[in-house]
Amino acid sequence: SYVLTQPPSVSVAPGQTASITCGGNDVGSKSLHWYQQKPGQAPVLVVYDDSDRPSGIPERFSGSNSGNTATLTISRVEAGDEADYYCHVWDRSSGHFVFGTGTKVTVL
Amino acid sequence: EVQVLESGGGLVQPGRSLRLSCLTSGFTFGDYPVNWVRQAPGKGLEWVGFIRAKATGRTTQYAASVKGRFIISRDDSKSIAYLQMNSLRTEDTATYYCTREAAGGSSFDYWGQGTLVTVSS
Repeated sequence: SYVLTQPPSVSVAPGQTASITCGGNDVGSKSLHWYQQKPGQAPVLVVYDDSDRPSGIPERFSGSNSGNTATLTISRVEAGDEADYYCHVWDRSSGHFVFGTGTKVTVL
Repeated sequence: EVQVLESGGGLVQPGRSLRLSCLTSGFTFGDYPVNWVRQAPGKGLEWVGFIRAKATGRTTQYAASVKGRFIISRDDSKSIAYLQMNSLRTEDTATYYCTREAAGGSSFDYWGQGTLVTVSS
């Protein structure tokens, strides 16, 4: 089955840039999405189709996807960005959706 | 405004059954696929399964961990989706989320608040 691998944790100082990677075999050929989940809350879509943002999501959130790695970049990090982040794809070969292992972002 | 609301969670003994409901509003429910996603306590997100829209045959697909035990259905007239969970195991303990799959894409653009299912004797 298809696997998406993320670093367990990323730490970043306020105002700096956080980069969260999502690795998978030829993941660049798939449409990849990112979700933010704060404690006790449901996930929220922050980037879809590799690099598009839903309405209401700040421009500080951006995404890229190429080769075997996708990246979610959070610029000018704020305390409110502290959350778990998950990548997500549709694996056509299996007909299943797959979530990444998740990354906890800590704002120092 | 799009709204998604799960219900039906609770404590259930291993081997028993439980049915979750997902009531939606604010959009044409019948036009969209519905996915269920679960999250065990302190763990990551796990896709459970989906049901496609009527236009694509209302086909279903399930994760290997629940295939043969869980059934997803929908009632477009009521804008409700269901997750029938049979032969429950302790490892099925999780918060279950109902999600709308975006039209023309594969992202999950709206999520419910989740309902907790605890499987324990």
